[in-house]
Amino acid sequence: AQRVTQPEKLLSVFKGAPVELKCNYSYSGSPELFWYVQYSRQRLQLLLRHISRESIKGFTADLNKGETSFHLKKPFAQEEDSAMYYCAPLDRGAQKLVFGQGTRLTINP
Amino acid sequence: DAGVTQSPTHLIKTRGQQVTLRCSPKSGHDTVSWYQQALGQGPQFIFQYYEEEERQRGNFPDRFSGHQFPNYSSELNVNALLLGDSALYLCASSLVRQLNTGELFFGEGSRLTVL
Repeated sequence: AQRVTQPEKLLSVFKGAPVELKCNYSYSGSPELFWYVQYSRQRLQLLLRHISRESIKGFTADLNKGETSFHLKKPFAQEEDSAMYYCAPLDRGAQKLVFGQGTRLTINP
Repeated sequence: DAGVTQSPTHLIKTRGQQVTLRCSPKSGHDTVSWYQQALGQGPQFIFQYYEEEERQRGNFPDRFSGHQFPNYSSELNVNALLLGDSALYLCASSLVRQLNTGELFFGEGSRLTVL
């Protein structure tokens, strides 16, 4: 079964500092992973997907199959990055997303 | 396009009662998924509807049931409410042929409190 772990419930960094939100997963086969974000008073939305190898709002995430990790990184945090972040592998068989517990990121001025 | 809309936004029930939550998907979407999000937890998959049938189900008891209508809107019903059913219930829509893209469009949720 798909499992995802986000070890940090809370993460606080200063503006301009690098940020890394950790995600580890267990999955057999070729995983597809996603990061979802929920800003204050907004709905949950897709931030980025690993298969696209894209950078969204300065965030990137690299799939490390050896470490079974999909950490989300940004070199210089901004105050507007404060939000709740969820790592979510896709269970392809059931075609459903499996969400982690989430990490609340706070960027201090 | 209002996106995914859910109603009611908040409601309070007592143990043993029944509740119905409603969801209208984003325009053009044909698939609706329901998630339960307890306080401090990530969303947990309840079930998914397509063509008015339940096509996938998570690890939830039969007290949780649903329905999808010809216009693609959906309802989530929970019978014999327990205190532990208190949570934010999220509806998410997509196109069935795009489910493997992983992009779901979420509503703002219905917050259920069971007393």
